[in-house]
Amino acid sequence: DAGVTQSPTHLIKTRGQQVTLRCSPKSGHDTVSWYQQALGQGPQFIFQYYEEEERQRGNFPDRFSGHQFPNYSSELNVNALLLGDSALYLCASTEDRAGMYTEAFFGQGTRLTVV
Amino acid sequence: KNEVEQSPQNLTAQEGEFITINCSYSVGISALHWLQQHPGGGIVSLFMLSSGKKKHGRLIATINIQEKHSSLHITASHPRDSAVYICAVSSGSARQLTFGSGTQLTVLP
Repeated sequence: DAGVTQSPTHLIKTRGQQVTLRCSPKSGHDTVSWYQQALGQGPQFIFQYYEEEERQRGNFPDRFSGHQFPNYSSELNVNALLLGDSALYLCASTEDRAGMYTEAFFGQGTRLTVV
Repeated sequence: KNEVEQSPQNLTAQEGEFITINCSYSVGISALHWLQQHPGGGIVSLFMLSSGKKKHGRLIATINIQEKHSSLHITASHPRDSAVYICAVSSGSARQLTFGSGTQLTVLP
């Protein structure tokens, strides 16, 4: 059973460019959350997708957007990249059970470097 | 003040030592999670608990809901335990996690 897979694993972009990161959730999971982790810090919640809609959002600007597909996979898009967007981007999948929190499974992350 | 605070930030131990990492939180929670992160980034869930104590191998997690405090213990530590250990909470109807800043553990042979 494949766990959560993210692609690419590493990425280097130039300031002002746009980037798309991808996540396939664990089999049976229907909810995908994205987190940004700066060096030496804990992950920060970006947003969560369920039933192809953004269900919750953290304190991130509109430059950060996402999408969820019918097969539950998800994309994170960041426009107009800034140097400060350099971070590890983590995807976590869970199974939605009537509003209860269930264990999250994480991908290996995408290391984004903006130069 | 962060909603989730961990201590210590860094911890170096000799192989075989008993290790304790602490986590305090300031909000009501539905569950507390202990996670392990190795160099390279991947995060593995160790425990999810809302009361009492859980044990898995050499790892033990406890939580005191009244005191809003949890501890992660590692018995007979080993160099392969070296990693960042992160405490995270989920609260109320929120389905996302709020993370602490992590504890870098180094176990020396």
